[in-house]
Amino acid sequence: DADVTQTPRNRITKTGKRIMLECSQTKGHDRMYWYRQDPGLGLRLIYYSFDVKDINKGEISDGYSVSRQAQAKFSLSLESAIPNQTALYFCATSDPGLPEQFFGPGTRLTVL
Amino acid sequence: DQQVKQNSPSLSVQEGRISILNCDYTNSMFDYFLWYKKYPAEGPTFLISISSIKDKNEDGRFTVFLNKSAKHLSLHIVPSQPGDSAVYFCAPLNSGGSNYKLTFGKGTLLTVNP
Repeated sequence: DADVTQTPRNRITKTGKRIMLECSQTKGHDRMYWYRQDPGLGLRLIYYSFDVKDINKGEISDGYSVSRQAQAKFSLSLESAIPNQTALYFCATSDPGLPEQFFGPGTRLTVL
Repeated sequence: DQQVKQNSPSLSVQEGRISILNCDYTNSMFDYFLWYKKYPAEGPTFLISISSIKDKNEDGRFTVFLNKSAKHLSLHIVPSQPGDSAVYFCAPLNSGGSNYKLTFGKGTLLTVNP
């Protein structure tokens, strides 16, 4: 069974729609992250959370919001999707004090 | 301002030979360096790391070398295998900060030819 799961795996939507991407983990990690990857670029951090009551903006948070519903669940929302938010989105988790992050399989989002 | 640079977008090597992937960084506060491997349609997977107090770390066929004075690290894969074909990301961090945020390079696509 996958330790970090993401739903949906693929999504096509239209400009202006609200979209939610979900991430669940069974690793028992406190820390969770959302990244996006664009073609030819590395991963860029959108939001991160170190526990259920802690939410922090990353380097590219504009146009996004997150919700940490439980230790195991971290959702990313696009309030009003726009075409330049077309990208691969990855969720990751980590243990406090350890640098390694563990990634989910990704969600491919296309905004038309 | 790119803090992490992987200047070779792609690299092609023959099976059995050595693959060398390079990474340069500008932030002197980085003190822990990770390499991730990514196959198409999958998330990145952690491969190997090195602390700034070391200059070499080895794990099987994979060795990472760190040159702090040059702000340069490299990943050596020997012998290379076709299954190593993937995108490799260099991802350093500043463990002295409270957030343990990884900064990713753009990646190098490695192709190992049979």
